[in-house]
Amino acid sequence: GEDVEQSLFLSVREGDSSVINCTYTDSSSTYLYWYKQEPGAGLQLLTYIFSNMDMKQDQRLTVLLNKKDKHLSLRIADTQTGDSAIYFCAESSPADKLIFGTGTRLQVFP
Amino acid sequence: EAGVTQSPTHLIKTRGQQATLRCSPISGHTSVYWYQQALGLGLQFLLWYDEGEERNRGNFPPRFSGRQFPNYSSELNVNALELEDSALYLCASSSIRQGRYSNYGYTFGSGTRLTVV
Repeated sequence: GEDVEQSLFLSVREGDSSVINCTYTDSSSTYLYWYKQEPGAGLQLLTYIFSNMDMKQDQRLTVLLNKKDKHLSLRIADTQTGDSAIYFCAESSPADKLIFGTGTRLQVFP
Repeated sequence: EAGVTQSPTHLIKTRGQQATLRCSPISGHTSVYWYQQALGLGLQFLLWYDEGEERNRGNFPPRFSGRQFPNYSSELNVNALELEDSALYLCASSSIRQGRYSNYGYTFGSGTRLTVV
């Protein structure tokens, strides 16, 4: 079945690293994505990783993929208050619709 | 380039009424997806239209329906509104021609917040 799970909340101090975790069930997923949703806004694509990759780095963002365990993580280095938002992981399914996780609310405090 | 636009931004309806939500995709995108984001919950897939046809449907009752027009814009209709239908409805577009597993994912609109009272 299709199911994507995330922890609901994460609170970090400004300047620290944040790690948001995600587990998925569909082993046929080809792309995995991280989206950011700020209050009152739609979703913004942050980064993606192809399923045959283990890691992808994009400036302050590092995505790690453990395909064996179906575990995806997003690390944000030097977290800033502007990073406070809800972060969704998503997988592309064979039907080509994106399946989203429940979202992790990241709160950054000074 | 204009992004995905949704209208209206906010919509207030009473229980039992019908709601119509609209979405214009990015120019050149042929696929439109609708998602429901209820308060405190993640995104639930509603409908996918491509080239005017319904390609896939989520686990929602038939009173949720829609269509896609020749210009690829789309409408989502919700009949016999219930209080639980109150949510943010997000529309996204993508181009299947980029490849089935487009590495750009979807581009989302800002959503329509539907409140049923």
